[in-house]
Amino acid sequence: GAVVSQHPSRVICKSGTSVKIECRSLDFQATTMFWYRQFPKQSLMLMATSNEGSKATYEQGVEKDKFLINHASLTLSTLTVTSAHPEDSSFYICSAQAGPTPGANVLTFGAGSRLTVL
Amino acid sequence: AQSVTQLDSQVPVFEEAPVELRCNYSSSVSVYLFWYVQYPNQGLQLLLKYLSGSTLVESINGFEAEFNKSQTSFHLRKPSVHISDTAEYFCAVSFTSGTYKYIFGTGTRLKVLA
Repeated sequence: GAVVSQHPSRVICKSGTSVKIECRSLDFQATTMFWYRQFPKQSLMLMATSNEGSKATYEQGVEKDKFLINHASLTLSTLTVTSAHPEDSSFYICSAQAGPTPGANVLTFGAGSRLTVL
Repeated sequence: AQSVTQLDSQVPVFEEAPVELRCNYSSSVSVYLFWYVQYPNQGLQLLLKYLSGSTLVESINGFEAEFNKSQTSFHLRKPSVHISDTAEYFCAVSFTSGTYKYIFGTGTRLKVLA
């Protein structure tokens, strides 16, 4: 089945530094990937939709200059948290759809990346 | 606007007892429905989905869910739970046309007690 790999699984950084998280579809091509943020004991909040070869579409309230998304190929999307602060500490999860039909295809999730900003 | 409601934030249940996790949705357009399970510090895994056809869908590990269009519900059930079923369960909808976007409920934490 479809597999999405996310790296790193855990990262600790100092306040003010930037952190990059990678999301790869291992056995399928994903023209669209999604980035979610999950606070403790809460649901997933969609941050942005990443489209291969074009700019990401950000959800309302998500700072596009803070959370840079690049989808340079059909198998790789990256999320860069720029000038990270403690309030950016969270669990970030990427996902991708395998298949051409919007909505009908299963959303496959990466294992998540826990970011801790000191 | 579309939304997904999971009324129960936590459901404790004894091992081998039945369980139902409730999910209701609101949408002005046709939707697909999903249940995902999340174990601690992991991503989400698909449990089961309803796209079309039979309104009762089953997973390989004994869970089932029934799509009820009139009640706009997609409740998840299992007749006999195991300790290993302890996890967070998320109900989600996506749309039959247009956007790839999914909307998730707030999740229900199922805790199976020995």
